[in-house]
Amino acid sequence: EAGVTQFPSHSVIEKGQTVTLRCDPISGHDNLYWYRRVMGKEIKFLLHFVKESKQDESGMPNNRFLAERTGGTYSTLKVQPAELEDSGVYFCASSQEGAITGATEAFFGQGTRLTVV
Amino acid sequence: AQKVTQAQTEISVVEKEDVTLDCVYETRDTTYYLFWYKQPPSGELVFLIRRNSFDEQNEISGRYSWNFQKSTSSFNFTITASQVVDSAVYFCALSDPYTGTASKLTFGTGTRLQVTL
Repeated sequence: EAGVTQFPSHSVIEKGQTVTLRCDPISGHDNLYWYRRVMGKEIKFLLHFVKESKQDESGMPNNRFLAERTGGTYSTLKVQPAELEDSGVYFCASSQEGAITGATEAFFGQGTRLTVV
Repeated sequence: AQKVTQAQTEISVVEKEDVTLDCVYETRDTTYYLFWYKQPPSGELVFLIRRNSFDEQNEISGRYSWNFQKSTSSFNFTITASQVVDSAVYFCALSDPYTGTASKLTFGTGTRLQVTL
């Protein structure tokens, strides 16, 4: 079974440019998350999709970030225009709808390392 | 607000030594989940364990063991007889509980473990 896949693995862009990150979750997983780790700091939640709907986008830094999940399958995270502080590793994760009493673990991709210069 | 503290930034051990990675958490919720993830050099986050707040039994899986103590809000991770392949960054995480099954995670800053020959 394929895991969570993220593209690209690395991206170097200039300040002011646009970058789009893509995440393909595990097939059948309704829940999709985006997280970000800025160097040396904790991994921080950005947003959560349930199918194609945004369940929680409280972690999105500002309106330069736009996440979509058309058709409830893959998701994209666009940064426009990119700023220096957007540099970091962006992780995507997916999980199944689990049992009523339990939370299911999230499976993470390898991340996209974004460098804004 | 939830918080996870991993006070050890980096640990170096010699192969076959035992090592314990500390994790202390803060939450006002009575129901929550704790997780450990491993990030090897390849970059992806690998799920290791999930523990719910009502189960304080220690768990052992091969060379890995976890000590959950609610009284001290700690969920420490011990690797027995460490091996070079254990070298990675280890993250402790806490779920954000709400009615439903999927979890938004609050991560610690990670502990980098270096195991040398």
